[in-house]
Amino acid sequence: GAGVSQTPSNKVTEKGKYVELRCDPISGHTALYWYRQSLGQGPEFLIYFQGTGAADDSGLPNDRFFAVRPEGSVSTLKIQRTERGDSAVYLCASSQANEQFFGPGTRLTVL
Amino acid sequence: QKEVEQDPGPLSVPEGAIVSLNCTYSNSAFQYFMWYRQYSRKGPELLMYTYSSGNKEDGRFTAQVDKSSKYISLFIRDSQPSDSATYLCAMRSGNQFYFGTGTSLTVIP
Repeated sequence: GAGVSQTPSNKVTEKGKYVELRCDPISGHTALYWYRQSLGQGPEFLIYFQGTGAADDSGLPNDRFFAVRPEGSVSTLKIQRTERGDSAVYLCASSQANEQFFGPGTRLTVL
Repeated sequence: QKEVEQDPGPLSVPEGAIVSLNCTYSNSAFQYFMWYRQYSRKGPELLMYTYSSGNKEDGRFTAQVDKSSKYISLFIRDSQPSDSATYLCAMRSGNQFYFGTGTSLTVIP
């Protein structure tokens, strides 16, 4: 079956702009995670959804970052007033039981 | 101190060599241990998953967990050029997953 998909694959924006990153999880997976991966680093946890609700958002770096999953499937990560330090690969993973399956990521570049 | 420590390498070995990759951790609450492989510009792909101390084998890959020492390893036998990638260890406590920085591996034909 289809894996986790993320769109866009690449996003270039200017400092101060708003961006939305989309994640389509594996069908039927109730858990969804967002991570941020900087060059030479492992994925860093941002937020975790169980169904429609954000069960743990302790990894969001500040209030410019927000994520939703209104129908318990597709999720959108929203970043307001982007800064150059937000440049990274944003990974989404979905899970049923103990295994996580990752999407290919969205490479965000803030100029 | 980071929750999970992993030597970033890079590690370069000849084809056919045995590769040993390692991570240490500090949190005794970690219960599940995973190894992921990540090719350039791709998402991590789960290789091995275990929740107990001891060894788990899958083909050319063996995962080893020593909870008393807070140390996990991944061994790759008969390494192939296609194994060239970054290998990430990951650990789970509750609903959060903690990743190492990844070790870059190159297998030279």
